[in-house]
Amino acid sequence: GQNIDQPTEMTATEGAIVQINCTYQTSGFNGLFWYQQHAGEAPTFLSYNVLDGLEEKGRFSSFLSRSKGYSYLLLKELQMKDSASYLCAVRRAGNMLTFGGGTRLMVKP
Amino acid sequence: NAGVTQTPKFRVLKTGQSMTLLCAQDMNHEYMYWYRQDPGMGLRLIHYSVGEGTTAKGEVPDGYNVSRLKKQNFLLGLESAAPSQTSVYFCASSYSRSGGAGKEPQHFGDGTRLSIL
Repeated sequence: GQNIDQPTEMTATEGAIVQINCTYQTSGFNGLFWYQQHAGEAPTFLSYNVLDGLEEKGRFSSFLSRSKGYSYLLLKELQMKDSASYLCAVRRAGNMLTFGGGTRLMVKP
Repeated sequence: NAGVTQTPKFRVLKTGQSMTLLCAQDMNHEYMYWYRQDPGMGLRLIHYSVGEGTTAKGEVPDGYNVSRLKKQNFLLGLESAAPSQTSVYFCASSYSRSGGAGKEPQHFGDGTRLSIL
């Protein structure tokens, strides 16, 4: 079966750094995506990893270790607008995604 | 730049009623998907299509039917709505090639909030 785990909720302070972890056990692996979803809105693409290592994009970075079935999303210099849910998704054959339950991040002043 | 458009945005149904959710994309994507999103359960794939005229079952297909008569449109039908189908429904589309378009993500519509009483 497919199993993708993320923490349900996290809280962090404006200006700080937060790391959201994702562990996965899936039949087949063809890349890992992170999406951001504000309440009541559509998920929007943040990052993609297919090889081990760190991908950096501005204030957001994503890391992947395929041998450990582990990824994290790192958000730096947190802003209030970063309050949202963050979804980890593993791509399997074709372009099928299996999503974790999402991590709701609350940024406090 | 419409992207993926879903209609309607909100709907309330009574148990046993039927309805069709519409999804349209203007990005010439081959693949289209229907998901449902429930609290604490993330996005779950209902049905998907790899091209015009084709459909396939996803993770939670029971109680739903789909059709892809035109490349740009993907319809999700509920023949006899049940309270368990109360959810937020998202349509998405993507390119088909995970190799050459490896970084290309799925693009999502704004969702349809469906309540069944």
